[in-house]
Amino acid sequence: NAGVTQTPKFRVLKTGQSMTLLCAQDMNHEYMYWYRQDPGMGLRLIHYSVGEGTTAKGEVPDGYNVSRLKKQNFLLGLESAAPSQTSVYFCASSVTGFGDYEQYFGPGTRLTVT
Amino acid sequence: DQQVKQNSPSLSVQEGRISILNCDYTNSMFDYFLWYKKYPAEGPTFLISISSIKDKNEDGRFTVFLNKSAKHLSLHIVPSQPGDSAVYFCAASVGNNNDMRFGAGTRLTVKP
Repeated sequence: NAGVTQTPKFRVLKTGQSMTLLCAQDMNHEYMYWYRQDPGMGLRLIHYSVGEGTTAKGEVPDGYNVSRLKKQNFLLGLESAAPSQTSVYFCASSVTGFGDYEQYFGPGTRLTVT
Repeated sequence: DQQVKQNSPSLSVQEGRISILNCDYTNSMFDYFLWYKKYPAEGPTFLISISSIKDKNEDGRFTVFLNKSAKHLSLHIVPSQPGDSAVYFCAASVGNNNDMRFGAGTRLTVKP
């Protein structure tokens, strides 16, 4: 049982390049999330999904797109990377999105945009 | 607009003593509060939670206190152990909302 895994762990992009971050979970969770963590800002929700085939915007969605074609996978895309997107990205999953639901986080992807 | 604030970036305590981590929030609609712990190069892991109908929740060495009138919660760790050294995030959500808000975190160092 691997929990939540993220690919890749590190990436350096040039401004304007595109990339996709992959998140996979093996806990059969319905809900999945993408966060970014910046110094002094805590984690901020980018997009989330409440089930296969669904996506919704979070607090900071601009510049990102997501897809949830399979229940176990949640992809985060950057179409045209900008230096402001330099951050650590965390994926998470949970059984439910209601109440004091525990989110299970992946180890993070450190992205640098030059 | 940071709705959840952890005003102490760092805290250092001696092993065996109490660690108190604080969190303030501005949104009175929050009704669930959680604490996560994060080690370097790992994702956050859930520690303890509390709903707004309670003012205290305890789990072993960890206790969370909620003061709704002051919009303040705190995490007490007693006794503190070196393995507790990590970054602690406070988080809050509205019950039927998938938008959980996190504080910036407090780095706890427990000295042997």
